[in-house]
Order: sequence, then structure tokens, then C-alpha cells
Amino acid sequence: DARVTQTPRHKVTEMGQEVTMRCQPILGHNTVFWYRQTMMQGLELLAYFRNRAPLDDSGMPKDRFSAEMPDATLATLKIQPSEPRDSAVYFCASGGEPRLSYQETQYFGPGTRLLVL
Amino acid sequence: DQQVKQNSPSLSVQEGRISILNCDYTNSMFDYFLWYKKYPAEGPTFLISISSIKDKNEDGRFTVFLNKSAKHLSLHIVPSQPGDSAVYFCAASVSRYNDYKLSFGAGTTVTVRA
Repeated sequence: DARVTQTPRHKVTEMGQEVTMRCQPILGHNTVFWYRQTMMQGLELLAYFRNRAPLDDSGMPKDRFSAEMPDATLATLKIQPSEPRDSAVYFCASGGEPRLSYQETQYFGPGTRLLVL
Repeated sequence: DQQVKQNSPSLSVQEGRISILNCDYTNSMFDYFLWYKKYPAEGPTFLISISSIKDKNEDGRFTVFLNKSAKHLSLHIVPSQPGDSAVYFCAASVSRYNDYKLSFGAGTTVTVRA
């Protein structure tokens, strides 16, 4: 049963600390997305990668957020320094099965619930 | 600037009745639309989609209707069941960009009463 995994599932940290969230996309998927869910904005796209290359990170606060894909099985989202307004649920999604048309669906992980005190 | 809007944050419906969820969009270039369902403590899961070349797509109890002139789509669930209680997200994309980006609405929380 292929699925996207995310770690940690929950994170409580203090303002100013570095936070690293990890995502393992479904094997064979070549597109990875990072989203943030807040009550007011719903699901906001922060960044996404195709074949490990960043295609768009315009939704991400550049001064404190960074996203990388060190290899095809790992995507990371870092916040340094973290602030209370970063408290949200962060979702990773993967997609891009070659046999599908462009209208692929995105498969979401369970999310990382972040609380910055 | 949110390009996909779900103006009803919540909906309560009796079991067996129809649930109708609405979604409006502002970007006329959107040509592919999806609905996702999300349970607490889980990630969203794909429910149903529709291309702009159609005005209706049906999958079991779920039907999505698209009105391009009004830039409006709706999701009908008939009959509603307790397991349908979840948050439903509307999403849209521009397929010609070939970038697979989705713009999501804020979600509608559906509660199905027994």
C-alpha cells in the first residue's frame, strides 16, 4: 500500500528554534508539493519540486523557510527561526505517475502539526 | 488573493439527504477541477474531478457539476452517510501549464447527522 509518509507527526517548539519536517514521496512519483493548512487560508502551496528540482517556491517566506530534495526519496522543509505565526499543519503531497495524463492526482501525507510557542 | 473560494465554512445535513457543496473560482484559465476529502489527523484524499470540457461527472454517490460561465462548481453527495462527515476542499488547475499546481479553497466542513 504505497503512501506518502511525513515525520514528525507533531512538533512543539519555542520561537526562534529551527524546525525540520521530512517527507518520503511515493516511490516513482517525480513531483513533490509542500502545503500549509491554516484555518483562514485553507491549503496554501508553499513550494514544489519536479525531478528533485524546485519549480516554484513563491508561496514560501524566503527569509525563514527553505525546501530541498536531497534525493528522490526525501523532501525537507525547514523553518529557521520559527515564529508563533508558523503554527499550522504542513502537508507533503506527491504525484506524477508517468502512465497517467497530466491530470494526475496528488497523494497527501498525514501532515506535521507544528506548534511554535 | 484566493482564486478558489468556498464561501460556506460548514454544512450540516441529515443522513440520507443530499449534501451540496459549492465552490467559485476567479481565474478563467482554470480548466481542471478536483474535490478532496479530509478526515481529522489525516491528509486530504482525492474524491472526484472534472475537466472543463464536461459539465458533469458522476462517481457513485458523488456528482460534480461545472458551470463555466458562472465560474462555479458544486459537489452533490446523495445520499449522505455518517462516514461523509469530513472537510471537503475544492481545487483547480491550469492544465496547459503542465505544472500540476493546484489552487485550493479554504474547505467546507460537512457534518452528517444520524
